[in-house]
Amino acid sequence: QQQVRQSPQSLTVWEGETAILNCSYENSAFDYFPWYQQFPGEGPALLIAIRSVSDKKEDGRFTIFFNKREKKLSLHITDSQPGDSATYFCAAHSNYGNEKITFGAGTKLTIKP
Amino acid sequence: GPKVLQIPSHQIIDMGQMVTLNCDPVSNHLYFYWYKQILGQQMEFLVNFYNGKVMEKSKLFKDQFSVERPDGSYFTLKIQPTALEDSAVYFCASGTFQNTLYFGAGTRLSVL
Repeated sequence: QQQVRQSPQSLTVWEGETAILNCSYENSAFDYFPWYQQFPGEGPALLIAIRSVSDKKEDGRFTIFFNKREKKLSLHITDSQPGDSATYFCAAHSNYGNEKITFGAGTKLTIKP
Repeated sequence: GPKVLQIPSHQIIDMGQMVTLNCDPVSNHLYFYWYKQILGQQMEFLVNFYNGKVMEKSKLFKDQFSVERPDGSYFTLKIQPTALEDSAVYFCASGTFQNTLYFGAGTRLSVL
């Protein structure tokens, strides 16, 4: 059962455009949603995260929009740069102790100069 | 930022042999994890570990798998015996309670 789903699987945008990466989840107990960025040959690194009490979290060019009712969230990357080219994982876990983090399948983002 | 070190970066072994993957977590972290990734795709949870015990494990954590962290040293994942389908990149992560997970760069395991 895929508890965290991401779309699209891959995305290409031009430098300067806004990239929008989508994520949805099934488990109502999930209340913390980190996005991880992974470059080839490296481990995932936390990019930005949101808790379910918020509907928006912004950090520079990166913004998470969260809709708890629909169990959906999205990551917006404005003014995309070639260095943003990476795989982005939406992840989720609940607040009941330090449980496993469940990852989506990832979106491979390519920024064309 | 905090670093999780994984040793070795690449391990090649014959099917049926034993392999131990080593992880040096962030020094003050208490929660440890192993994830498996195939071909840069989904990060699959294997196991998490706290206070000397396995807290939760997935179906992927077969009987041939074991983890330990003897005397606060390396957090290890042992596979004995290995199978062809164990070929993947294994990521170790560490964290504090309800906090960010920090991942290592991974160990690429190739089972021949």
